[in-house]
Amino acid sequence: AQSVAQPEDQVNVAEGNPLTVKCTYSVSGNPYLFWYVQYPNRGLQFLLKYITGDNLVKGSYGFEAEFNKSQTSFHLKKPSALVSDSALYFCAVRANTGGFKTIFGAGTRLFVKA
Amino acid sequence: DTAVSQTPKYLVTQMGNDKSIKCEQNLGHDTMYWYKQDSKKFLKIMFSYNNKELIINETVPNRFSPKSPDKAHLNLHINSLELGDSAVYFCASSQEEVSSGNTIYFGEGSWLTVV
Repeated sequence: AQSVAQPEDQVNVAEGNPLTVKCTYSVSGNPYLFWYVQYPNRGLQFLLKYITGDNLVKGSYGFEAEFNKSQTSFHLKKPSALVSDSALYFCAVRANTGGFKTIFGAGTRLFVKA
Repeated sequence: DTAVSQTPKYLVTQMGNDKSIKCEQNLGHDTMYWYKQDSKKFLKIMFSYNNKELIINETVPNRFSPKSPDKAHLNLHINSLELGDSAVYFCASSQEEVSSGNTIYFGEGSWLTVV
């Protein structure tokens, strides 16, 4: 069975500092891994994904994520946080062996303080 | 030119009523979904259709019935609404291509409040 864990309900960071939002996963076979962002009263927006290849994936708005197979992790990072990055972030996983189900984590609220 | 559009955005209704939420995607995708987001922001899949065929039907009360008249549309009808149905319902779509990772694109959500 697939599962995703986002161990932190909230991450607080000062503007200009680097940020990390953690995600670990469990899936049979090789994973497709995603990060989405949700701003207040909006739908989820795709940020980036890992399918195969380079473990460091770059996405929208300066975000990147590193796939670590041995630790089954896919942490979201940004070198310098902006106040406008404050939002709810979801990690998601899907097995690449077929099936149509993408499982989402519980979400991590990122708060960037000016 | 909204990619995934759903209506209405806000819906307030009384217990026991029947309501529908409509969804359309203009991305040419072959798979559409309904997700429910509760007050704690947990996101849970309800249904998925691939080429108009129901492929995912999670543990959802029978009062919820999806309808897909064509690949671009997936509507959600809810009978006998209950207080616990209050949530945000997201329509979404994706193209089933293994090589591309099946990125899901979400609508803006429909805020359902049952009073």
